[in-house]
Amino acid sequence: SYELTQPPSVSVSPGQTASITCSGDKLGDRFACWYQQKPGQSPVLVIYHDSKRPSGIPERFSGSNSGNTATLTISGTQAMDEADFYCQAWDNSTVVFGGGTKLTVL
Amino acid sequence: EVQLVESGGGLVQPGGSLRLSCAASGFIFSSYSMNWVRQAPGKGLEWVSYISTSSNTIYYADSVKGRFTISRDNAKNSLYLQMNSLRDEDTAVYYCARDPGGGDYFDYWGQGTLVTVSS
Repeated sequence: SYELTQPPSVSVSPGQTASITCSGDKLGDRFACWYQQKPGQSPVLVIYHDSKRPSGIPERFSGSNSGNTATLTISGTQAMDEADFYCQAWDNSTVVFGGGTKLTVL
Repeated sequence: EVQLVESGGGLVQPGGSLRLSCAASGFIFSSYSMNWVRQAPGKGLEWVSYISTSSNTIYYADSVKGRFTISRDNAKNSLYLQMNSLRDEDTAVYYCARDPGGGDYFDYWGQGTLVTVSS
C-alpha cells in the first residue's frame, strides 16, 4: 500500500521560514495537498493541487511537489501557525494521509 | 456558507453497531463527492470511505471494508456511515469532508462526532 512519510516535528522561530516535507514513491506524479489542524479543531485545507491556496489562506503558505517529495513552506511564520500539519494524496482508489507533523513556533 | 454537521456518535460495546449522519448545507450537495475521515485520540488522520455524487463509485479503507457502509441521500442533503461489528480500534472522532473531485483534496470538513467503542 502507498505510504506518505512526514517528520514528526518541526521547530521554527517567529518570522522565519518553516518547511515541512512529505515523502512518497513518485509523489510528484500525483497531486498533493496539505491540512492544518489546531488542537480541538477540524482540519483546514491550506494547499491543494501541490501549490494552490484556497480562498482565505494567507500568502505565507506555499507548496511544491516534485520527484518523491512534496513540501509545505510557511514564510514569516507566526505564533498562530503552530499546529499539526498533514499531507494527503490519492492512490489507486485510496486516500492516503501522512502521519502528521507538529509545527512548534518558539 | 458551507456547513457539514455530523451526528450519531456515542458509546457502543465491541461488536455493536452505530449509524453516523452528516447534514450538508450551503452548497449543492448532489454535485460533490463526499468522504468520511477519522482520527483516534491523539493520533493522525485516517481516511475511511469515499462516495461519488450519484453513489455509483464507493471505496473503503481496508481497515473497515466489510464492516462499514457509506451511503448518501441527495434529496435530504445527507451522508451516512453505517458501522457494524465495531472494534476498540474504531474509537475515534469521525469527520465528513467535501470532495471537489476524485479524492485529491477535501475543501470543507465538519466538526466531527466521537465514537467510543468500549465495554
